[in-house]
Amino acid sequence: KNEVEQSPQNLTAQEGEFITINCSYSVGISALHWLQQHPGGGIVSLFMLSSGKKKHGRLIATINIQEKHSSLHITASHPRDSAVYICAVRSEDTDKLIFGTGTRLQVFP
Amino acid sequence: DAGVIQSPRHEVTEMGQEVTLRCKPISGHDYLFWYRQTMMRGLELLIYFNNNVPIDDSGMPEDRFSAKMPNASFSTLKIQPSEPRDSAVYFCASSLARTEGKQYFGPGTRLTVT
Repeated sequence: KNEVEQSPQNLTAQEGEFITINCSYSVGISALHWLQQHPGGGIVSLFMLSSGKKKHGRLIATINIQEKHSSLHITASHPRDSAVYICAVRSEDTDKLIFGTGTRLQVFP
Repeated sequence: DAGVIQSPRHEVTEMGQEVTLRCKPISGHDYLFWYRQTMMRGLELLIYFNNNVPIDDSGMPEDRFSAKMPNASFSTLKIQPSEPRDSAVYFCASSLARTEGKQYFGPGTRLTVT
């Protein structure tokens, strides 16, 4: 079993829909990252969080340390949000980043 | 700022050849990371530097891989000799602080070894 699991693997939505992508992990962590990889391959770091919630524009990331779970929400989704969203956790034991396999999101007009 | 710069963007080489990938981090960033992305394994951290010093290279797959950071504005990842299984996209990223700072990724180098 992977130490970082994301769900769903693939997600399609209509423009305007509210999107939720989930990340569960099995190791103790010091931080969790959400990354966005565009169809062209470029990677953008969206959030780094270790507790609570962060918001940037239409994106909201939450983390529940006790439940070892994080969610990335996109409100009023748009076709330009189409990308692969990757969750990564920093292990508090090894200090290494462990990546999930990503969630591929397609938003149709 | 131009962001993290990587070169070349694409590299096609034959098995056994030496490959050198280059990275220029964002000015002022003191951490530099090298990642590899493949379909099978996803994103993997290979090595990272702090203030030009390699801190953790346990992700480097084998001795054929080496990385250097001779100064704060330049790093190289070298594969010698290259093998077809090294084909991947190699990303370089930099940040101001390892645990608190957001990482800024370069556009990646797509390496194909035939």
